[in-house]
Amino acid sequence: EVQLVESGGGLVKPGGSLRLSCAASGFTFSSYRMSWVRQAPGMGLEWVSLIGSSSKSIDYADSMKGRFTISRDNAKKSLYLQMNSLRVEDTAVYYCARAPIGYAGAFDIWGQGTLVTVSS
Amino acid sequence: DIQMTQSPSSLSASVGDRVTVTCRASQSISNYLNWYQQKPGKAPKLLIYAASGLQSGVPSRFSGAGSGTEFTLTISSLQPEDFATYYCQQTSSPFPITFGLGTRLEIK
Repeated sequence: EVQLVESGGGLVKPGGSLRLSCAASGFTFSSYRMSWVRQAPGMGLEWVSLIGSSSKSIDYADSMKGRFTISRDNAKKSLYLQMNSLRVEDTAVYYCARAPIGYAGAFDIWGQGTLVTVSS
Repeated sequence: DIQMTQSPSSLSASVGDRVTVTCRASQSISNYLNWYQQKPGKAPKLLIYAASGLQSGVPSRFSGAGSGTEFTLTISSLQPEDFATYYCQQTSSPFPITFGLGTRLEIK
């Protein structure tokens, strides 16, 4: 079964750091671009970052540049998001998603999400 | 950044109704437009990719159309399981990728 499972969310104080992980299974992880998308409570979807299959291409939403770092380990079939200098407004469910080539950039598989709460 | 204006923001409809949601881009995005369905507490689910491509496993009552700046998602005959929130997403270069604010589809 094709699956993405996020972990690493939790409660963190403003200014703190957190590292999210996303474990992939059921497909050839190294062949796919991967992305993070977040959703604040009661709000819509916000794209965070995207990484190419070999990590050569990386993009971030402007509000995350300089604070968040996306990475991947193809041998471990895992995607990561290092989040530093966290703000209250970063509170959200964070989803990892698969972005296959040829789908106009669509995200065809999503994890269940992990909740990050930034609060003092 | 490319802005996506989705309308309506909410919609009440009955089982069996035909429903259309519209998404407008602030500049041309060719066919780099995708549609997702999200139910409460669940991850989004891809319905339509590249403006009109039906994702595998998605019922044929869902269809997408449009190119350039105006796009539509149509559900031909609403089923009880279709009541959810729908999002459009543009993935045109250059980034950032942006989503519409969503359309909440409720039972009348």
